[in-house]
Amino acid sequence: DVKVTQSSRYLVKRTGEKVFLECVQDMDHENMFWYRQDPGLGLRLIYFSYDVKMKEKGDIPEGYSVSREKKERFSLILESASTNQTSMYLCASEKHLDRAEGIQYFGAGTRLSVL
Amino acid sequence: AQKITQTQPGMFVQEKEAVTLDCTYDTSDPSYGLFWYKQPSSGEMIFLIYQGSYDQQNATEGRYSLNFQKARKSANLVISASQLGDSAMYFCAIYTGNQFYFGTGTSLTVIP
Repeated sequence: DVKVTQSSRYLVKRTGEKVFLECVQDMDHENMFWYRQDPGLGLRLIYFSYDVKMKEKGDIPEGYSVSREKKERFSLILESASTNQTSMYLCASEKHLDRAEGIQYFGAGTRLSVL
Repeated sequence: AQKITQTQPGMFVQEKEAVTLDCTYDTSDPSYGLFWYKQPSSGEMIFLIYQGSYDQQNATEGRYSLNFQKARKSANLVISASQLGDSAMYFCAIYTGNQFYFGTGTSLTVIP
């Protein structure tokens, strides 16, 4: 089974702190994604990566950056956390096949509260 | 424009009955994929079923089936013989234009 592991289930940070959300997958997938999930808005794509050291902006990249130094690890960085970044963050990975058939496998999510 | 529309924010179903969760989509791509995910209260998104735009038959996976009506651009999820463990949020998603788009979800509650 595919395993996508997010380092923290719950995080509480203060405004202005630098925050790292880590995601590791064990299936050698090329593609990895970071989403945030808010009530009534569904999942919104923040950033994604098709390969090591590659990154692409999603729909809402402002206030975030990412790092993909190794294939299995995709980190989401909040350079200076703000209260409007309080949300559930979901990481996903996907095998690089025909993307119309690509199933995304998700981690359990990190619920971040910024005070 | 919304790529995926789920018009039912909440649904209730009696245990052992069938339920249909609605999903309509918007794309002009000839090739796309449609997906349904389940998110229980634990938070993890669980893949349920996939339908390719060129697939002639509706996808089925156990108690899950996808009612794919291409001309109407709908991809409704049908859950047969509902179980208490089916209570969760359900998200419809589409891969089109080189990106995934998720709907806002439907909360399903199974009543004993």
